[in-house]
Formats: sequence, C-alpha cells, structure tokens
Amino acid sequence: AQSVTQPDIHITVSEGASLELRCNYSYGATPYLFWYVQSPGQGLQLLLKYFSGDTLVQGIKGFEAEFKRSQSSFNLRKPSVHWSDAAEYFCAVDPYSGGGADGLTFGKGTHLIIQP
Amino acid sequence: DAGVTQSPTHLIKTRGQQVTLRCSPISGHKSVSWYQQVLGQGPQFIFQYYEKEERGRGNFPDRFSARQFPNYSSELNVNALLLGDSALYLCASSLTRGVREQYFGPGTRLTVT
Repeated sequence: AQSVTQPDIHITVSEGASLELRCNYSYGATPYLFWYVQSPGQGLQLLLKYFSGDTLVQGIKGFEAEFKRSQSSFNLRKPSVHWSDAAEYFCAVDPYSGGGADGLTFGKGTHLIIQP
Repeated sequence: DAGVTQSPTHLIKTRGQQVTLRCSPISGHKSVSWYQQVLGQGPQFIFQYYEKEERGRGNFPDRFSARQFPNYSSELNVNALLLGDSALYLCASSLTRGVREQYFGPGTRLTVT
C-alpha cells in the first residue's frame, strides 16, 4: 500500500547537537516530497520541498533534507538544534507529482524534544 | 502579505449539530484544500477546490461538504457531528490546481461533546 512512514515517534536531542529525522515512502514513482513543522496549537509551516534535480535541498531555519531514490527516503537534518526547534515534524508526499488533486499524504509525525 | 486565515479559532459543538468553518487563501492562490488532523496524527486530506469546483476528495463521509467562492475563499461544512469529528481542521492554499507546495493556515480546533 502507498504510505509515508516516519519510524520515530519521539526524538530527544541536546541543544547544539545534530539532528536527523527519518522519512520513508512507498510509491511506484518518485513523488514530490515535503517536510513541515508544527508548533503546539499551530498550523503547519513548510520547511523544504523536493521536486527533482539536486538530491540535497536546503530549507528555512537551517534545515536540509536528502532524497535517496534507492532507499525511498527523504531524511531531514540540521547540524545544530536550538531550543526553538522543539515541535512536531511531518513528512508529506504528493504522489501525483503536481498532476493530481488528492492532497498531500502525511506521515504520523515525529515529536522533537530539545534537552538543555 | 497575509497568509492563510481561518475562522473561528476554536469551536465547541454538540453531537448531531452542524458546523461551518471558513478559510481565506493567500492572495493570488486559486486552490484551497481542507485537512483533518486528529490528536497525535498527521493531517488527512478531505477536499481540494480549484476555480470553485471540487477537484479531489479524500475518504470522508458525505456529512462533509465544502464550497469555494468567486474570491477563492472556502467553507467546510460538517453535518450530524460525531464525537470522532473532534479535530484540528486545517486549510491550505496553493497557486494552481495540482498539489505542489501548500501553505497552511493556523487551523480551527473543533470539539464535539
């Protein structure tokens, strides 16, 4: 079945340490890929997106993500986290790569906790 | 520039009632999508509207309906509310038909008692 998997429900990272959040998808073709962040009680903010081309994409707030076709993965990274990065992170796919109208499919999210 | 706006912010309804949620997209965006996010889950797609027509629908019952107005704003209606409809309802706008990147509003928190 087509799906988006975020294997880690919770991740705890010390402030200043590096971060990697995992995302795997199972679709026949390479979908468009996105990472969103959601602070408590808020809507979703787009961090970065991948449509095609360079497999390492840069986003806002110092985040980057790497698309690996062979692993069907789109992992989010940040070299040094700040306390303000504590939030819920969602990986999402557009399985029709801009050609459909069935919305984004989201993973279940990873809750990021920052330790002082 | 204003982002996506939604109203109301919070809403409490009783089972069996009906509710209408409103969304105004980013200026220039012609497509609006609605999502339901229950606690602890990722958002689930409900509808996409483009140029006032329904272009996509997720796996939701007919109690859910929506419409888009000439100014591209949108309303989501839910009839015969159930306890399980309690969720954060998110509106997202995008420039054109087709998903590409979507920009989300702050959501409406609906509580059904």
